[in-house]
Amino acid sequence: QVQLVQSGSELKKPGASVKVSCKASGYTLTSHPMNWMRQAPGQGLEWMGWINTNTGDPTYAQGLTGRFVFSLDTSVNTAYLQISSLRAEDTATYYCARQYCSGGTCYSFDSWGRGTLVTVSS
Amino acid sequence: QSVLTQPPSASGTPGQGVTISCSGSSSNLGNYYGYWFQHFPGTAPKLLIYRDDERPSGVPDRFSGSKSGTSASLAISGLRSEDEADYYCATWDDSLSGWVFGGGTKLTVL
Repeated sequence: QVQLVQSGSELKKPGASVKVSCKASGYTLTSHPMNWMRQAPGQGLEWMGWINTNTGDPTYAQGLTGRFVFSLDTSVNTAYLQISSLRAEDTATYYCARQYCSGGTCYSFDSWGRGTLVTVSS
Repeated sequence: QSVLTQPPSASGTPGQGVTISCSGSSSNLGNYYGYWFQHFPGTAPKLLIYRDDERPSGVPDRFSGSKSGTSASLAISGLRSEDEADYYCATWDDSLSGWVFGGGTKLTVL
């Protein structure tokens, strides 16, 4: 059974950094791309980008600054999202989501984590 | 402002049917499949419809998707109280070279 287990909520001060983890189980992380989404309070879902889990190459959504970094540790089947120089507007729930690919064709997000709430407040 | 436009709310009584619309453009829904997700706050979003009108295994056939031109729709028949959730449409957008979501529709079962 495919599961994505995310790390717990974080409370950070402006200017700090945070690293959110997303541990995959029930499949090998490198089998499917991993995407990241966020949802600010009271807002809808926003796609942040994805990471090629074979090569580790990330692709970021247009407008996403260099403060956001996707990474992997395939030895523990885990993807990471690191956010540096945190600002109040980064307060959101961050989700990882597997993009299902089969036979060279990729579809949409068939499994999601429960989300990690990152709160940025002084 | 979301690239895909959904009504912010929808409602129906148990047993009724409801349809949620998702309007896009030629750079997204006009050329790419539509997808629908069900989200209960505090939980993992769930894929409900993929490739316009296909259901993953385990999704009841009360949920159906369709697409025409640059608009997609999610229909739910025989409404149940447990259907009360947020519903999001999504697709790929060529202009943005990325995935885009609708703003979400909060479904209330009266």
